[in-house]
Amino acid sequence: RKEVEQDPGPFNVPEGATVAFNCTYSNSASQSFFWYRQDCRKEPKLLMSVYSSGNEDGRFTAQLNRASQYISLLIRDSKLSDSATYLCVVNILSGTYKYIFGTGTRLKVLA
Amino acid sequence: NAGVTQTPKFRVLKTGQSMTLLCAQDMNHEYMYWYRQDPGMGLRLIHYSVGEGTTAKGEVPDGYNVSRLKKQNFLLGLESAAPSQTSVYFCASSYSVAINSEQYFGPGTRLTVT
Repeated sequence: RKEVEQDPGPFNVPEGATVAFNCTYSNSASQSFFWYRQDCRKEPKLLMSVYSSGNEDGRFTAQLNRASQYISLLIRDSKLSDSATYLCVVNILSGTYKYIFGTGTRLKVLA
Repeated sequence: NAGVTQTPKFRVLKTGQSMTLLCAQDMNHEYMYWYRQDPGMGLRLIHYSVGEGTTAKGEVPDGYNVSRLKKQNFLLGLESAAPSQTSVYFCASSYSVAINSEQYFGPGTRLTVT
């Protein structure tokens, strides 16, 4: 079982739609959680950290469920510019801290 | 600030050739990392460094060596390239590994080994 798992998609949604992605993690020593965005042939860039109480940044909302070991990302009012791959990243304390990346969920927002 | 830069951006090598990838950051970060990204695999950690003069192995270190002689630079070396090392290589840095410490990535190096 992978330490961090994501549905690869693609999720094809029309402009203006709401879309949600989940990411599950297997290591209970996971300390920090992030969503990164990666555009085609570009580097990953931080979209948002995920806090225990959940957090929102404009149209984006992230949630953490420690009991079920998953994090989620909700995008409201999707824009064409939201088309990208969304990477789930977990920081695990295992001797030392390490970042584990999911394989990403691809989103296509259609006009 | 330039952030994290990588050179070269593209490279084609023949099997058995060697090369060095250079990563530089101007954010005074202690931690630096080298990842490779392959289709369907996600980013995998090759080597990392927790400070100047230190290096450690990551998940997939075989066939690679690294050096961190200066705090701002992290070099990744391939001594004898193999086709299995065809990949996109990303360097990253972070201020720490404390809770919610994010990583900043360079633009990547696309390497093809024929």
